[in-house]
Amino acid sequence: GAVVSQHPSWVICKSGTSVKIECRSLDFQATTMFWYRQFPKQSLMLMATSNEGSKATYEQGVEKDKFLINHASLTLSTLTVTSAHPEDSSFYICSASLSEGTEAFFGQGTRLTVV
Amino acid sequence: GQNIDQPTEMTATEGAIVQINCTYQTSGFNGLFWYQQHAGEAPTFLSYNVLDGLEEKGRFSSFLSRSKGYSYLLLKELQMKDSASYLCAVKDSNYQLIWGAGTKLIIKP
Repeated sequence: GAVVSQHPSWVICKSGTSVKIECRSLDFQATTMFWYRQFPKQSLMLMATSNEGSKATYEQGVEKDKFLINHASLTLSTLTVTSAHPEDSSFYICSASLSEGTEAFFGQGTRLTVV
Repeated sequence: GQNIDQPTEMTATEGAIVQINCTYQTSGFNGLFWYQQHAGEAPTFLSYNVLDGLEEKGRFSSFLSRSKGYSYLLLKELQMKDSASYLCAVKDSNYQLIWGAGTKLIIKP
């Protein structure tokens, strides 16, 4: 199957700093990538849909100024958590599909801890 | 609204068979997916159903009935490594994935 690589796998940062998470499709071009957040023992929560060359589409309740998404190329999308706070600590996962209707391939996920 | 229901937790014995059910109500349907997720890891793809019927893949099988808005994942010859959460997800008319809350499967020796 297709490979999606996410980096870093885990990060610890101080409150007030910003953290950037990268999501790359290694062997296919992803016009659309998705960013999810997952709290312990809960399912995936879609944060935003990242579209190459255009602005991301954010889900209701997700602060677009806090979670900056950039999809500059067909193989790279980034999520930047700005001015992170302890409540932003979570598991962030990206995914991409080869085309509509096909399975989503997930990155390894990034565990963010804000101290 | 859109809704996907699956049991919160199930327990089964090593070597046995377990069926995890999923019912859905979505705006449109473009396929149903099952994913396995071990604690602290990203989900991994198990199966995809878009037509009614049973899809078999090794020890895992998935069934779909679109008229009933129902699917199940069948796991045979359970192994301890099958202990994980199993997520049901449906692609709606906009091809957006709607996720169930997941079923935590506990395998006992």
